[in-house]
Amino acid sequence: EDKVVQSPLSLVVHEGDTVTLNCSYEVTNFRSLLWYKQEKKAPTFLFMLTSSGIEKKSGRLSSILDKKELSSILNITATQTGDSAIYLCAVGGNYGQNFVFGPGTRLSVLP
Amino acid sequence: EAGVAQSPRYKIIEKRQSVAFWCNPISGHATLYWYQQILGQGPKLLIQFQNNGVVDDSQLPKDRFSAERLKGVDSTLKIQPAKLEDSAVYLCASRAGTRAIRGQYFGPGTRLTVL
Repeated sequence: EDKVVQSPLSLVVHEGDTVTLNCSYEVTNFRSLLWYKQEKKAPTFLFMLTSSGIEKKSGRLSSILDKKELSSILNITATQTGDSAIYLCAVGGNYGQNFVFGPGTRLSVLP
Repeated sequence: EAGVAQSPRYKIIEKRQSVAFWCNPISGHATLYWYQQILGQGPKLLIQFQNNGVVDDSQLPKDRFSAERLKGVDSTLKIQPAKLEDSAVYLCASRAGTRAIRGQYFGPGTRLTVL
């Protein structure tokens, strides 16, 4: 059975701190790994990582895929209160590209 | 471009009642997903459509849940009869295709409360 694990499940930091969120997976025929940010509403897309694109960066956020270790990290530097959200990791396997989501990491950034 | 539309946004019903949710994906998106997200958990795939065909419904509780995507555009998800444990947010997502570079776009979700 495909499985995605995230750690930590919850994290509290202060503005300006740097955080690293972890995602590990066991899926059949890995195709892609996606990171989403979920505030009060639906998840919004952050990054997609594949075998041909194992590192992505956008502003203060960056992510790396380690296919050997079957894991990914999401880094957020100089955190702001607006970064407070649940960060979801989803992994796509098999041809149909259905995605298995992890439980998410709840990040709280205090002023 | 217009996003994924869902309705209703909120629904409160009593157990054993029926409920239906509607989703209209982004125009031209061939792949449509329904997810169930229980509070404190990540979304769980219920069903995936490719155009109007079902790709994966292995986690859909078929004794009470049904979904259809007639004409390969909008979709409905039905629960009949509802149980207390069905209380969750039901998310619809669409994607241009299985090899699209951005993954899914999510709708705002329908929050279902079963009393």
